[in-house]
Amino acid sequence: DQQVKQNSPSLSVQEGRISILNCDYTNSMFDYFLWYKKYPAEGPTFLISISSIKDKNEDGRFTVFLNKSAKHLSLHIVPSQPGDSAVYFCAASRSDNQFYFGTGTSLTVIP
Amino acid sequence: DAMVIQNPRYQVTQFGKPVTLSCSQTLNHNVMYWYQQKSSQAPKLLFHYYDKDFNNEADTPDNFQSRRPNTSFCFLDIRSPGLGDAAMYLCATSPGRGMARYEQYFGPGTRLTVT
Repeated sequence: DQQVKQNSPSLSVQEGRISILNCDYTNSMFDYFLWYKKYPAEGPTFLISISSIKDKNEDGRFTVFLNKSAKHLSLHIVPSQPGDSAVYFCAASRSDNQFYFGTGTSLTVIP
Repeated sequence: DAMVIQNPRYQVTQFGKPVTLSCSQTLNHNVMYWYQQKSSQAPKLLFHYYDKDFNNEADTPDNFQSRRPNTSFCFLDIRSPGLGDAAMYLCATSPGRGMARYEQYFGPGTRLTVT
């Protein structure tokens, strides 16, 4: 039972444009959400997070939006750069140190 | 500077032959996790330690065991590996408290092959 879903396995975006990666979840008990970035042959790297008491968190070119009623979060990268090409995972937690990951979206930023 | 180290990076074992994967951290984090990730699937949490407190996921097979002898080290033991256990095994840590308590730091993973 996949509690966190990333329905787009891949996404291609032109350099300089906005990348939008989406994530849906089913468990309303999740109260903390994270995005990770993964390059080949490396472990995932923490990117940005958001608590369920917020609906937006911004860090430089990265912004995460949370829509609790829709159980949906998204990661916006603007402007996109070729170095952003990687697999992006979203993850959710219930404040109990248990994390549930999505299957990832492979982002390609075309120069 | 590597903060979460996994050894070995690649491990080949025979069907049914016990194997141990290791993880160490220099972050002094309270929480350590083991995930299993199969191709094109989400990382799946097997168990985690909060300090010495062991937390097993309900659907983690008994074939998988873990040890955390001290803050820095955590081991994953697979008692009788089957072909279905071939996967990438990821170790992660998190502070467990404070503002960044949920931010996980991952190691590079150990790719296990079962022959």
